[in-house]
Amino acid sequence: GNSVTQMEGPVTLSEEAFLTINCTYTATGYPSLFWYVQYPGEGLQLLLKATKADDKGSNKGFEATYRKETTSFHLEKGSVQVSDSAVYFCALGGSQGNLIFGKGTKLSVKP
Amino acid sequence: EPEVTQTPSHQVTQMGQEVILRCVPISNHLYFYWYRQILGQKVEFLVSFYNNEISEKSEIFDDQFSVERPDGSNFTLKIRSTKLEDSAMYFCASTSTGAGVYSPLHFGNGTRLTVT
Repeated sequence: GNSVTQMEGPVTLSEEAFLTINCTYTATGYPSLFWYVQYPGEGLQLLLKATKADDKGSNKGFEATYRKETTSFHLEKGSVQVSDSAVYFCALGGSQGNLIFGKGTKLSVKP
Repeated sequence: EPEVTQTPSHQVTQMGQEVILRCVPISNHLYFYWYRQILGQKVEFLVSFYNNEISEKSEIFDDQFSVERPDGSNFTLKIRSTKLEDSAMYFCASTSTGAGVYSPLHFGNGTRLTVT
């Protein structure tokens, strides 16, 4: 069945460091791929998405490219800020808006 | 910006008791969902609901669970007889269309259910 695997956390970085959070997926067909973010005390928010192979989703300085050949959708940011501290979830889209999530990766950014 | 709201934020109940988790989806949305996250584990799909009926449900959503839209604004998840393993964060979500691609899921802040 469809599944998502993302790197284990927590990830601790200094401000302005480069961020990569790995995400790979297993799916039949070509599902849409998403990154959601959960800030402390809040719900899940869509960060970015990609709907087909080679699409690049981007938002708030974060980027992820839908790589069909490596079944990956890694999240990157060139220079993280303290305000980026949150839990990041990779997800793939099923039908009816059914999302399949990874376990989440907690990011802590230190000043 | 409109939000999905969930109440209560934290619910403590004894094993075997019934609980009802409440959600108010965004007002013009038509598709509603419940997800849960057991501490340290994945966010898991439970059920989707459209046009006053369940459209899809996971293996987790067994006979102990039910959903209802009792009026035009609330969307509830009932657990009939809670078990210890039901302890989790429960997230409600809604979207205006059934396809998550063009209309992202909007999530509430969650209800933390603790079964003792």
